Amino acid sequence: EPEVTQTPSHQVTQMGQEVILRCVPISNHLYFYWYRQILGQKVEFLVSFYNNEISEKSEIFDDQFSVERPDGSNFTLKIRSTKLEDSAMYFCASSELVVPSNEQFFGPGTRLTVL
Amino acid sequence: AQSVTQPDIHITVSEGASLELRCNYSYGATPYLFWYVQSPGQGLQLLLKYFSGDTLVQGIKGFEAEFKRSQSSFNLRKPSVHWSDAAEYFCAVVPNTGGFKTIFGAGTRLFVKA
Repeated sequence: EPEVTQTPSHQVTQMGQEVILRCVPISNHLYFYWYRQILGQKVEFLVSFYNNEISEKSEIFDDQFSVERPDGSNFTLKIRSTKLEDSAMYFCASSELVVPSNEQFFGPGTRLTVL
Repeated sequence: AQSVTQPDIHITVSEGASLELRCNYSYGATPYLFWYVQSPGQGLQLLLKYFSGDTLVQGIKGFEAEFKRSQSSFNLRKPSVHWSDAAEYFCAVVPNTGGFKTIFGAGTRLFVKA
């Protein structure tokens, strides 16, 4: 069964460093998302991406965040200068159809720890 | 304000007992409704979803949920809980406003005792 994959599973970085979180969405999916979950808190929407551009973003997704689909399979989230409060689990998701009712398939997540 | 509320932070049930997890939403138009489960250290798995039609929806792993428009609720139920059901359960909505982002509730952690 097709699934969304994410690498690495765990990333440890120093405050101020840049990190890139990688995701491989399901191959025929068109819509891509990033969410984050700070430990013990709810899952929060960060950004959605369609047709090589951001469709929607939350207030969390400020200038230190960026997303990219560098090739036909990968979808990345870059944090330019990490802060302690960026420590969280980051989930990538994808959906096949461009309708809000379409199921989003989530990856296993990348746990980011900023020291 | 628009929101998804799961009033129970955690619930403990005995194995074999029935389960109901509550979810209420506050949106002008009925959103698209979902329940996800997250096992420790794992990603999110979709249990079931509701868009329209029959207000009782069946999902995977023996779960069902009932949409009640008058109560703005979408409660998750299971008649007989198994120890493997211990996990965190998230109610979620995609607002019916043209966007695609999913808004999650705070989650309910389910503990199952033998």
